[in-house]
Formats: sequence, structure tokens, C-alpha cells
Amino acid sequence: QKEVEQNSGPLSVPEGAIASLNCTYSDRGSQSFFWYRQYSGKSPELIMSIYSNGDKEDGRFTAQLNKASQYVSLLIRDSQPSDSATYLCAVNSRTSGTYKYIFGTGTRLKVLA
Amino acid sequence: DAGITQSPRYKITETGRQVTLMCHQTWSHSYMFWYRQDLGHGLRLIYYSAAADITDKGEVPDGYVVSRSKTENFPLTLESATRSQTSVYFCATARGGGAGETQYFGPGTRLLVL
Repeated sequence: QKEVEQNSGPLSVPEGAIASLNCTYSDRGSQSFFWYRQYSGKSPELIMSIYSNGDKEDGRFTAQLNKASQYVSLLIRDSQPSDSATYLCAVNSRTSGTYKYIFGTGTRLKVLA
Repeated sequence: DAGITQSPRYKITETGRQVTLMCHQTWSHSYMFWYRQDLGHGLRLIYYSAAADITDKGEVPDGYVVSRSKTENFPLTLESATRSQTSVYFCATARGGGAGETQYFGPGTRLLVL
């Protein structure tokens, strides 16, 4: 079973700080990586996708990918209380000729005002 | 444009009853997916469909049946509900099945099996 692992948290950071969320994956052949945010009682919504090694920035969010270490992270700068949610890492892996998402169990982030 | 809708949003049923969860999309996305989300397990794929009349099993298909006669609809049926099927069910869509495709999620259905 190809796995995606995340620390369940909660990760608590003060307002205005940088939140760092981490994810490791087991399938070296994975090609696409996604971060979803899920508020309590709501559905997951895409924050960022990343496909190449390095950093990708979008506003206050930066995704970092290191395929050699099988590691993907999400940095949230200037964290706000509205960022408090569970963040799901998803990896698109090829299984039996089909690409399927494998989700981590999520990291719960709490931004303290 | 509602995108993805799921119905019902909440459902309480009893063990042994048949339950159908509906998923409808207005984007004409080729791929549709059913996931269940449980504490400690995250999102797990039940079934997916690449197009009308093409469906395949995911990680946890036992006890579920799907069909897709029209591109826009992808119902999920629990043939004989069990307590272990109490969960939150999410439908998702994607334009295609390639490596870089983004999945978009519906609002979810909370199912309680007594």
C-alpha cells in the first residue's frame, strides 16, 4: 500500500507566525502533489499543487517539494486565525495503469489570536 | 453554477437498509470519485469512474455499488448498510485521469447507520 504520512497535530502557532506543515510519501514514482485545506464539517478545497522539485509560491502559501527525500511541505506565512483548519496532503500515484490520489490523514493547524 | 452537489446532506438509516447517495456535477468532468472520510483513516477511495458506463474499484469497495449511466451523475448505493459504514462521504470530480489533474470535492453526505 502506497502511503502518505502527516503528523496529525494539532500544530499551534501564534497569529502572524509561519506555519510549517510536512508530508512524506512512499511511492518514488509519484508525480503530482497537492495540499488541500478542510475546515471542520466542510469538504476539502485545493490550496496548491506542485509537480517539480523546489518551491512554488502563491500569496501567503509556499509549497516545497523534494522528490529525492520524498518530502513535500506547505508553509503559511503571516498565519491568521482563519487558517485554522486541517491540511491534507495528497499524492497522485500510478497504480495498475491508473493515477489515483492517496491522501494523508491530515494535520490540524490552530492559529492562536 | 453549483459545480458538484450531493444529496442528501445528512442521512440516518438502520442496519440492513439500502441507501443511495447521489452526486451530480455540472462541469462535464470525465472522472468522478467516491471517498469516505473517517477519523484516523483520512480520505479513502471507494469507487471511481472514468466516463459514463466505466467504473472501477478503489481501496474500500466492499458493501458499495456504483453506476454511471450519465456523465453528470454518479450514485453510490449501500446495498445493506452496516454500522461500519457510518462515515462522511465525499464525491469528487476531475477533468481527466492524468498525473496532474486536480480533484474538486462536493459538500459531503454525513451518514449514520444505527
